[in-house]
Amino acid sequence: QSALTQPRSVSGSPGQSVTISCSGPGSNVGVNNFVSWFQQHPGKVPQLIIFDVSKRPSGVPDRFSGSKSANTASLTISGLRAEDEADYYCCSYVDNYTWVFGGGTKLTVL
Amino acid sequence: EVQLVESGGGLVQPGGSLRLSCAASGFIFSSYAMSWVRQVPGKGPEWVASISGTGNSPYYADSVRGRFTISRDNSKNTLYLQIKSLRVEDTALFYCAKAQPESYFDGSGYSVHYNLDVWGKGTTVTVSS
Repeated sequence: QSALTQPRSVSGSPGQSVTISCSGPGSNVGVNNFVSWFQQHPGKVPQLIIFDVSKRPSGVPDRFSGSKSANTASLTISGLRAEDEADYYCCSYVDNYTWVFGGGTKLTVL
Repeated sequence: EVQLVESGGGLVQPGGSLRLSCAASGFIFSSYAMSWVRQVPGKGPEWVASISGTGNSPYYADSVRGRFTISRDNSKNTLYLQIKSLRVEDTALFYCAKAQPESYFDGSGYSVHYNLDVWGKGTTVTVSS
């Protein structure tokens, strides 16, 4: 499985919304709803913030939302805050306990 | 609280071996598949290997198959990754992660897929001469 494609970076001002895309040629992104998103602050562990395209684990603010259209999944962060500045990775479950990740998007809060 | 604590990383020469461990607590370890994921600084995570809850079914990324062996000891709540024939490109932070099952309707019945919901803090493997 090839890695998923994400933009290298996005930016936005506090209070604004940003959207990060995630796609893969003929990948599972378009076949099923098994896309998840992770947030990773520098030197920290990746934290699951979205699973099954649009579901949020307990404790994740509803400012984080996910969606999918065809072969592209998206993570939208609304009401940007300084603490949202981090790297974001999409991930797609393939089968038999195997996953493929995106290369990551660095979010800068201006 | 679910906790995963990795250990066993270190500096090793190319061609060398290491055994990584992941001590789990806060959940019924034997009921969950577990995985190893590695990450090179500045790069995206890379799934490396997984093993079913019983330990009978291991799965590997093509990049490590034949060199890495995943195993578990459910009596000790511990996951392992034996790494052989290490290469410079294996240098990374190795995380263990818990595979949380989620059911879904596939049109004809219910099936299960998995999400990596909890990760440990990782252990660093550095391969250098």
